Amino acid sequence: LAKTTQPISMDSYEGQEVNITCSHNNIATNDYITWYQQFPSQGPRFIIQGYKTKVTNEVASLFIPADRKSSTLSLPRVSLSDTAVYYCLVGDKAGNTGKLIFGQGTTLQVKP
Amino acid sequence: DAGVTQSPTHLIKTRGQHVTLRCSPISGHKSVSWYQQVLGQGPQFIFQYYEKEERGRGNFPDRFSARQFPNYSSELNVNALLLGDSALYLCASSLEGSGTDTQYFGPGTRLTVL
Repeated sequence: LAKTTQPISMDSYEGQEVNITCSHNNIATNDYITWYQQFPSQGPRFIIQGYKTKVTNEVASLFIPADRKSSTLSLPRVSLSDTAVYYCLVGDKAGNTGKLIFGQGTTLQVKP
Repeated sequence: DAGVTQSPTHLIKTRGQHVTLRCSPISGHKSVSWYQQVLGQGPQFIFQYYEKEERGRGNFPDRFSARQFPNYSSELNVNALLLGDSALYLCASSLEGSGTDTQYFGPGTRLTVL
């Protein structure tokens, strides 16, 4: 599975848009990109998943350039409750296993 | 609708003991996966089960074992506990456990080994 690289931490202020970029230079043709959010002492929560171009849901947007070697999670107008760890994962779309490989994630701190 | 549930929420054991952690998946989900999360790190894959069969195993010693029951609930067993087994143990369920299935995590069981 492709290795991912994310910033260890980011700071933001309430109301700002936050963009977290993930590098996955060795992404394979069948790999898709998934982002999870995790609050302290809770299980990770699925945010968004995509394969190419742009995906948007009620929580976030995911931008994936044509070469798919990176992706950017965009959180619009963050609030204090968005303070959490965000994980970028890549996985085999065609695989028969749901094994998820987590890195260290990005700790986002939203300040008032 | 109930999400993934895990029991117990917290557990304290001493070295050498064994522990059993339990997980109930979301209704209709047939796959359960187990992860270990040590403080400050991302979750690490331990096992995946689908229709009571082991589908995947992570890089964990044989002290770790699991099984899935006909109702799709699952147990994770850890024998001969070590201090390093202290962690948050997470269970995740998905419809069929395939690569594109979204996995939904439970709140975890916090295991402390003294």
